[in-house]
Amino acid sequence: DTAVSQTPKYLVTQMGNDKSIKCEQNLGHDTMYWYKQDSKKFLKIMFSYNNKELIINETVPNRFSPKSPDKAHLNLHINSLELGDSAVYFCASSQNPGTDEQYFGPGTRLTVT
Amino acid sequence: DAKTTQPTSMDCAEGRAANLPCNHSTISGNEYVYWYRQIHSQGPQYIIHGLKNNETNEMASLIITEDRKSSTLILPHATLRDTAVYYCIVTSGFQKLVFGTGTRLLVSP
Repeated sequence: DTAVSQTPKYLVTQMGNDKSIKCEQNLGHDTMYWYKQDSKKFLKIMFSYNNKELIINETVPNRFSPKSPDKAHLNLHINSLELGDSAVYFCASSQNPGTDEQYFGPGTRLTVT
Repeated sequence: DAKTTQPTSMDCAEGRAANLPCNHSTISGNEYVYWYRQIHSQGPQYIIHGLKNNETNEMASLIITEDRKSSTLILPHATLRDTAVYYCIVTSGFQKLVFGTGTRLLVSP
């Protein structure tokens, strides 16, 4: 069973479009995250939710909006996609807030043309 | 804003121990040392973490110096599947992992 899953795995779209990436975890964790890994392989946190509440919001354009319908899901909606949004997006989860190991999904490779 | 320094790359022969160093000279008392790895095209994978004492689990051992300014991740018997980028991260929690550039470990036959 996949612990943290993401859909889709690949997403190719044109500039200006709106797209969503979905994430689900079946680990029973309370905290979920979104990370972005750019073409230079730098991995940076974007958002973190604990029990459906936003607790970390890094300097991310407001075109990016996370939504957590329940503890097991954290979706990422991106409006007006730009070329610079092309990256691999990883979802992750952990049991508790605070110092805890995180479990990552397989990633979604977004390509904006 | 990574607080750690790691070698860019390392090589290891299959079956030998891989010792990956990390310097974190500015670590503060409430900060943990975490290790993750990222195998090509996959999501990062948690390996181990520690505060002061040495730690061991089924994947690796973590040796932290007494002054806590550096640590070493040890993969006791490296396999080809251990080829990956290894990240040493210092964090006090609040869920914020800051990934640096890591060490690219190449395990060869």
